[in-house]
Amino acid sequence: DSGVTQTPKHLITATGQRVTLRCSPRSGDLSVYWYQQSLDQGLQFLIQYYNGEERAKGNILERFSAQQFPDLHSELNLSSLELGDSALYFCASSARVSANTGELFFGEGSRLTVL
Amino acid sequence: AQSVAQPEDQVNVAEGNPLTVKCTYSVSGNPYLFWYVQYPNRGLQFLLKYITGDNLVKGSYGFEAEFNKSQTSFHLKKPSALVSDSALYFCAVGTGGFKTIFGAGTRLFVKA
Repeated sequence: DSGVTQTPKHLITATGQRVTLRCSPRSGDLSVYWYQQSLDQGLQFLIQYYNGEERAKGNILERFSAQQFPDLHSELNLSSLELGDSALYFCASSARVSANTGELFFGEGSRLTVL
Repeated sequence: AQSVAQPEDQVNVAEGNPLTVKCTYSVSGNPYLFWYVQYPNRGLQFLLKYITGDNLVKGSYGFEAEFNKSQTSFHLKKPSALVSDSALYFCAVGTGGFKTIFGAGTRLFVKA
């Protein structure tokens, strides 16, 4: 158990809808990262927050947004969903502001299916 | 731009034999290199990292990796494979910024 909790584990929705994925980082970790894992594109970095502030942005679509709350949990909002958004969405946390010097702790992911 | 490549989609090895999972990288500046493993229906788990120092890095579950600056490689190795090592392995690279980039992954099959 990594200590990172993601909900929901599975989500099925229709095109055009909006969903929110939630992540609780390990106790004490200030950094939260969101990744998208799909069969054809591998593990893609979406966005990182550190102590409530956005620190790095990757290949995140404009239809997607995220935030980190004062209690350090984070939410990833996906709107106007398309079939291609079906993927496994991972949250990871770390104690450091940069993932480059320390390990990331991953949750078990939220599997999104868009029909 | 930084990038990481895992040239093999799949590696097959017999139990008890040594295994190697390959990784090459491209970064400007000194690289930070990682290996993660993903078991079915689970999140990624950290195996080992190279930041600086000894080119041979030892990690979890008997895995090790060798950093080769001239070949820009960071191959994952284990002297004797176990069936339970069968999983998806990801190499990752970071630089001085905040992003860590993951490779496409290599699926390891260890046959009994």
